[in-house]
Amino acid sequence: QEHLVESGGGLVKPGGSLRLSCVGSGFNFSDYYMSWIRQAPGKGLEWVSYITNGVNIKYYADSVKGRFTISRDNAKNSLFLQMDSLRAEDTAIYYCARDFSTHDYWGPGTLVAVSS
Amino acid sequence: DIQMTQSPSSLSASVGDRVTITCQASQDISHYVNWYQQKAGKAPKLLIFDASNLKTGVPSRFSGRGSGTDFTLTINSLQPEDVATYFCHQCKNLPYTFGQGTKLEIK
Repeated sequence: QEHLVESGGGLVKPGGSLRLSCVGSGFNFSDYYMSWIRQAPGKGLEWVSYITNGVNIKYYADSVKGRFTISRDNAKNSLFLQMDSLRAEDTAIYYCARDFSTHDYWGPGTLVAVSS
Repeated sequence: DIQMTQSPSSLSASVGDRVTITCQASQDISHYVNWYQQKAGKAPKLLIFDASNLKTGVPSRFSGRGSGTDFTLTINSLQPEDVATYFCHQCKNLPYTFGQGTKLEIK
């Protein structure tokens, strides 16, 4: 059974950094593109980034480009999101999701709060 | 960016009713639309992909239609467990975008 679990969220000051992790199980992680999607409190969903499998091509939303870096470690079935220069508007629940388009499985999310 | 305009923003219906949620894209996106269900405090779950394909395990009372710019999600015979917020999503062009959501409640 496919399973994703995020970790690494927390409270950080504006300008600070956090590194989110997502571990997948129940499927061949290295076969799939993987995505990060976020949801500000009480708001809608916003696609953040995705990474291909194999050659690891990366795509980002304009709102995070140059500040966030997506990466993966297939040997550890893990996806990462390095978040630098955090802003108040980055406050959200961050979800990892399998695949880049259908997002057929999601983790429960990890909360990132950016506040002084 | 492609805008996904979803309506209504909220909806109240009775158990057994047929419910329809619509999503209009700001440009032609062929069949590249997915629908998700998000229950309170939980992550979204995929219901429909490529406009009309039901994900394995999703009840058959859920169905999707449309192509181009206009899409619908229909729930036949609404059940109490269908209380949730529903989102459409386009995956035709980056940045992928979502509708603003439809909050469905039971009367």
